[in-house]
Order: sequence, then C-alpha cells, then structure tokens
Amino acid sequence: DTGVSQNPRHKITKRGQNVTFRCDPISEHNRLYWYRQTLGQGPEFLTYFQNEAQLEKSRLLSDRFSAERPKGSFSTLEIQRTEQGDSAMYLCASSPGGLRNQPQHFGDGTRLSIL
Amino acid sequence: DQQVKQNSPSLSVQEGRISILNCDYTNSMFDYFLWYKKYPAEGPTFLISISSIKDKNEDGRFTVFLNKSAKHLSLHIVPSQPGDSAVYFCAASETNTGNQFYFGTGTSLTVIP
Repeated sequence: DTGVSQNPRHKITKRGQNVTFRCDPISEHNRLYWYRQTLGQGPEFLTYFQNEAQLEKSRLLSDRFSAERPKGSFSTLEIQRTEQGDSAMYLCASSPGGLRNQPQHFGDGTRLSIL
Repeated sequence: DQQVKQNSPSLSVQEGRISILNCDYTNSMFDYFLWYKKYPAEGPTFLISISSIKDKNEDGRFTVFLNKSAKHLSLHIVPSQPGDSAVYFCAASETNTGNQFYFGTGTSLTVIP
C-alpha cells in the first residue's frame, strides 16, 4: 500500500532561485491537493486538481507559483524567484474521486528553506 | 481570517485517562469535519471524520462529537496512550462549494506514562 510520496524531502536554496517539488499521489486517486504549512499554523490550501485539470487556486498562490498535473498522475509545484516568505513545509494530499466527503491523505511534505 | 480555531496549543494527560481536544469553527456552511494527527517530520495522518448529519462518530478509542448549534467539535481519546502524543489538527470543509480543507492551528497532546 503506497501512500503519497513527495520529493525532495528538504530543499535549501538561495533567495531568487527557482525550485520545483514533485508529488506522487496514491494510485487511482483522482484528486490532488497542495497545501503550505508554516510554523505554528495548520496547513493552508494552495490548489486542487481533478485528474489533470486545475480546478481551484487560493489567493495564496501568487503568480510566482505554478502547479501542473500533466497526465493526471504525479504533480509538480514550482516556485519562481523564491523569497524568504516562501520558507515553509509544502504538503501534497490526494483523495479518491466520486463522493465529495472523503478524507485527504497527505505525504510527508517538502521542507523549503530560503537562505 | 481563521475559520477553524483550536484555542488550546497544548494539552497534557496521564496515560489511561481521557484526552479531550476542542475545535471551534465560524462558517456555518461547513458540513464535513475531520481530525488529523501529526508526528514530527511526517505529514498529517487522517484519524476520524464526521458529517454534519451526525453528532457523534466513533472508531475504537477515538470519538468525535459535533455540536452544530455551537459550531464546536471535539475529539475524545480514551484511554490515552503514550503513542498518542502528537499534534492534532481539526479540519472542515464545505461540500458544495469547494474541495479545500480549512485547518486549525493544532493542539500538541502529551500523554504522560
């Protein structure tokens, strides 16, 4: 039973660099979510995919952020021109299609540190 | 604008006793509620959920209670075990308008052996 997988687990980069994270959801899960978590806070929603279609975006997702799920399987989240405030844990979650009220299953996240 | 609030940042309980974690929400349109447990360096793990058509849901040692009129839910763990020591997040969603979960800020539970 493979859970949600996220890579890398940790990313340290200098301000202004671009970074890309990858998420592999639970197989056959149609829905994929990205969240951001900062210290002392709960996860905050960034965006949601139903298969390959990006259906929702939070206002937290500035134009420096872009997410894709090209074949409806894995997803990538890219941050361009990183800023200090981007330092956070980036969490990916997935859930089955069909019924709306289903739990989302989270990966262990990618911790981003901006120097 | 925090729509889901956990006002107790931490809680300590003796092993074998009951742990009660509380959560309040402000959006009366929320109709699906969940509790997640999180260990350090891991992602949140789903524990238990409840739909707004119910006021109680039980799964082993974990019971979630929902009081819609008070916009309040609670998680009861009984008996508490040292392995339950973790951060607990409550989350809520509004089925008809979106798929995002709104999370509280978490309560750190310590179960003392």
